[in-house]
Amino acid sequence: DAKTTQPNSMESNEEEPVHLPCNHSTISGTDYIHWYRQLPSQGPEYVIHGLTSNVNNRMASLAIAEDRKSSTLILHRATLRDAAVYYCILRDYSNSGYALNFGKGTSLLVTP
Amino acid sequence: NAGVTQTPKFRVLKTGQSMTLLCAQDMNHEYMYWYRQDPGMGLRLIHYSVGEGTTAKGEVPDGYNVSRLKKQNFLLGLESAAPSQTSVYFCASNLRGRAASGDEQFFGPGTRLTVL
Repeated sequence: DAKTTQPNSMESNEEEPVHLPCNHSTISGTDYIHWYRQLPSQGPEYVIHGLTSNVNNRMASLAIAEDRKSSTLILHRATLRDAAVYYCILRDYSNSGYALNFGKGTSLLVTP
Repeated sequence: NAGVTQTPKFRVLKTGQSMTLLCAQDMNHEYMYWYRQDPGMGLRLIHYSVGEGTTAKGEVPDGYNVSRLKKQNFLLGLESAAPSQTSVYFCASNLRGRAASGDEQFFGPGTRLTVL
């Protein structure tokens, strides 16, 4: 399975933008890039996903490099509630029943 | 909709005891999953099911069994608990959709299990 590389931790000030990077140099042409986050003591929740083009939704934006070997999750204005572990996942739809392959993720700290 | 629910929320077992974790979803999802999460780690897939009556092994299936007798329920069993199975267990489900639609996976709140 293709793997992702993320920084262990990042820190941001409240109400500032946050750019969370992810490297996936071995991505295949059919892998979708998914982002999930896990708030303290909760199960993960979906944030956003994309294939080739940049994507926006109410939670965040996803910027995908032209060669698809890296991507960036953008939180436009971080709030204290955005403090969580963010997982960048390459979703393989060819096996394992579409299961998510979680790494260690990036722990985001948001300070007032 | 309640989404994905898990029973129990907490449990302490002694080595060798058995127990069953129950996962229920009310979204009519085809696919269901059991993951475990150890401290400081990401989630790892134990077993999954792509429909009622079907199950398959994930990354770390040893020591666990599962059953999907009803579409809305997915049970995880530990026949003889070991301290190495101390973990937080998450159940998840998703609708069998097209890749482009995202096929969002919904997670339960987790079961915190300690085996002494």
